[in-house]
Amino acid sequence: GENVEQHPSTLSVQEGDSAVIKCTYSDSASNYFPWYKQELGKRPQLIIDIRSNVGEKKDQRIAVTLNKTAKHFSLHITETQPEDSAVYFCAASMEAGTALIFGKGTTLSVSS
Amino acid sequence: NAGVTQTPKFRVLKTGQSMTLLCAQDMNHEYMYWYRQDPGMGLRLIHYSVGEGTTAKGEVPDGYNVSRLKKQNFLLGLESAAPSQTSVYFCASSYGVGASGAYEQYFGPGTRLTVT
Repeated sequence: GENVEQHPSTLSVQEGDSAVIKCTYSDSASNYFPWYKQELGKRPQLIIDIRSNVGEKKDQRIAVTLNKTAKHFSLHITETQPEDSAVYFCAASMEAGTALIFGKGTTLSVSS
Repeated sequence: NAGVTQTPKFRVLKTGQSMTLLCAQDMNHEYMYWYRQDPGMGLRLIHYSVGEGTTAKGEVPDGYNVSRLKKQNFLLGLESAAPSQTSVYFCASSYGVGASGAYEQYFGPGTRLTVT
């Protein structure tokens, strides 16, 4: 079945710096890769997603890149702000998209 | 439009007791999911449903049962709770799978369960 590895597990940056989180997946049939942000005590919320027919997608300060050959995808956050501090999860679809398998998460801390 | 709701928000059980967690969605979503979240382990899929009357096992199904008798509800049952089932449980729902792949999953607020 699908397996998703996420690195790093913790990431500390200064406000204004960029942050990059990387994930790898095992199932070459996966075609949907969302990223979720979870603030302390809250539910996970989708911040950006990418599909296998696209190599890169941007939404203001966040972007996601996908390398299908290498089976890895990355989240890029530019000009980080303290409110970006949260746990970020990557995920990959399994079984023709019926469900998602999540990485273990990255705790991002942005200090001002 | 409440989105995805979960009942209860908190619960404490003794080992061996049983309980049912209720998830409800008002978005007419076809697919529904149950996850558990433990520190350092991310979100692990317990069971999921691709439509009313259907269920399937996820990554960690042992010790749990589910039912989807109505499209808007997805129930997660613990027949004999164990301390290892202490966790935060999240329900999610989505429209399912379209021509370009899966649709976004929307999460409920979570249920914090402690088994002593």
